[in-house]
Amino acid sequence: EAQVTQNPRYLITVTGKKLTVTCSQNMNHEYMSWYRQDPGLGLRQIYYSMNVEVTDKGDVPEGYKVSRKEKRNFPLILESPSPNQTSLYFCASSTDRGQSDPGRNTEAFFGQGTRLTVV
Amino acid sequence: AQTVTQSQPEMSVQEAETVTLSCTYDTSENNYYLFWYKQPPSRQMILVIRQEAYKQQNATENRFSVNFQKAAKSFSLKISDSQLGDTAMYFCAFMKHGRGDMRFGAGTRLTVKP
Repeated sequence: EAQVTQNPRYLITVTGKKLTVTCSQNMNHEYMSWYRQDPGLGLRQIYYSMNVEVTDKGDVPEGYKVSRKEKRNFPLILESPSPNQTSLYFCASSTDRGQSDPGRNTEAFFGQGTRLTVV
Repeated sequence: AQTVTQSQPEMSVQEAETVTLSCTYDTSENNYYLFWYKQPPSRQMILVIRQEAYKQQNATENRFSVNFQKAAKSFSLKISDSQLGDTAMYFCAFMKHGRGDMRFGAGTRLTVKP
């Protein structure tokens, strides 16, 4: 079954305690992204990866780190979490068929989300 | 940078009626994709419908259809015969060709009333 697995689903932590949210996909997608969802703001991109060892900042990267050492994994690291990072986080993987590859669909698959609370 | 705007924070519709959710976007790109995602209370992100910008024909998926106006940069979602299970947050999203990442609107919370 094609899926994006994100863990943990819920996490409560204290300010300053380093944490990692894991993300893994089994579809051999080249693109992976992290988003945070806040009320009234939709989903905002934190970081993005086009392939192994290739990452780029999104719209709200401050306070976050990522790595892409393997194609299937894209962990999100909060080195020193703060209360303003309390949010709902989503990992996504995607592929882009373009116009030349009708056998593939362009779409993104999302993990189940991680509800993070920083106190 | 691309921006996506959903101007309706909340909407409601009676069961079996039709409702249209609005979305506009801003881009200088010519090749891109547009999506509508549904997020029920379970928080799961579910793809509702996809439109490729190079296709003039509007996409349809059962009760869901879009009105894609490329020149106006408008991408509205029409839900026909609304069902209680359609109650959810709906997000409009833009993906540039060759990028694989998305830009989302702020979302529209849709409530279907019995």
